[in-house]
Formats: sequence, C-alpha cells, structure tokens
Amino acid sequence: ILNVEQSPQSLHVQEGDSTNFTCSFPSSNFYALHWYRWETAKSPEALFVMTLNGDEKKKGRISATLNTKEGYSYLYIKGSQPEDSATYLCASSSAGNMLTFGGGTRLMVKP
Amino acid sequence: EAGVAQSPRYKIIEKRQSVAFWCNPISGHATLYWYQQILGQGPKLLIQFQNNGVVDDSQLPKDRFSAERLKGVDSTLKIQPAKLEDSAVYLCASSRGTGPNTEAFFGQGTRLTVV
Repeated sequence: ILNVEQSPQSLHVQEGDSTNFTCSFPSSNFYALHWYRWETAKSPEALFVMTLNGDEKKKGRISATLNTKEGYSYLYIKGSQPEDSATYLCASSSAGNMLTFGGGTRLMVKP
Repeated sequence: EAGVAQSPRYKIIEKRQSVAFWCNPISGHATLYWYQQILGQGPKLLIQFQNNGVVDDSQLPKDRFSAERLKGVDSTLKIQPAKLEDSAVYLCASSRGTGPNTEAFFGQGTRLTVV
C-alpha cells in the first residue's frame, strides 16, 4: 500500500490570489500520478495524469508539475476564482491502475 | 457520452441493517472500481473488477462487505450488517483499461449514514 500525503489540508484565499498545493508519494515503484478536482455534490473530475519526471501539464489557469525522483507534485492555480472552490485530490497509481489517494486539499475562494 | 451512474444518492440506515449500492459504468469500460471515502480522508479502494472478474479486493472487509459484477457491466456493493464506522461516501469509477495512466471516471457517489 502506497502512502500519499497532501498539504495543506485546507486553504482559504481571496479571489484573484494564486495558490499551490503539494502532493508527496513514495518514489519507488512509481507508475503515474493523478490529480482530481471534487466539487461538493458532484463527481470527482480528472485534471491531470502525469508519468514522467519533470512533466508539466496545464489546463486553463491550473497547472501541475511532477518530480518522481523526490516523490512530489505541485498543483498551481493562477488567479483563483470562486468556482475553483473544491477539494483537490492526488493519487498515485499502481501498475494495475489502483489509485491510492491522499487526504485532499480543500480550497475555498472568497469573492 | 453518459457518465458513471450510481444509486441511491443518499441512504440512512440503522446499525446492523443491510444496504446495497448500484453502479452502471461508462459503456465499453472493462474496469470498475469501488472506493470508500470517510469524511476527512481520501478515497480508499475497496475492490477492482476487470470485466466480471475480481482483480483486487485486499482492502474489502469481507466479513460484512460483498460486491459483484454480473455480466461484466453493472455492479452492486452490499454491506451486511452495517456498522457506525461504515458511514462514508461510496464512489464507483470505471476506466477503459488497467494501465497506470488510464483515466478513471467517477460517479457522484452514494452517501451512507449509519445511525
């Protein structure tokens, strides 16, 4: 069983602020790292899947980086908006795509 | 394309009662997962199916939990008898395959409260 940690647990920011979260995972036997956004009363939505050391992915104002050698990934949100309020989950996957999730970072963006 | 469908959305039962959840994955997705998300924690995998066979159920409490995926499509997860600590959101997910970079699509979940 992999141990995935996320920090911070929760975050309150003002609209327009930029923010970032951290996901740490065991670097041995690494296969892939997934980021999900989970809004209240909705389904978790996939943001990124990353596999290679040094990967950087971007979707609109959200981007992510991956360091497989030291076992961490950062998720960045530029110019946070109230609609970005959600829980952001990262997960490390096994060879068979069984996801081990971190505890999530709950982001609240105040207008 | 239609997403992963789950029912019911909410369920409240008394401890020692039984409950069942249903999941219909995205059409054509061979792999189906059930996750349990306890408040304040990340989702934890309970069981993974590949078509109608079990790939991994090492974290399924088999004394009270059971799951099946007849005909390799829909799946049900049952708890019998329920305990207070089973209160959680039960998420179903599906994916086309089992590669580690394969995107898993999630349903909205069933929120179970055991009183």
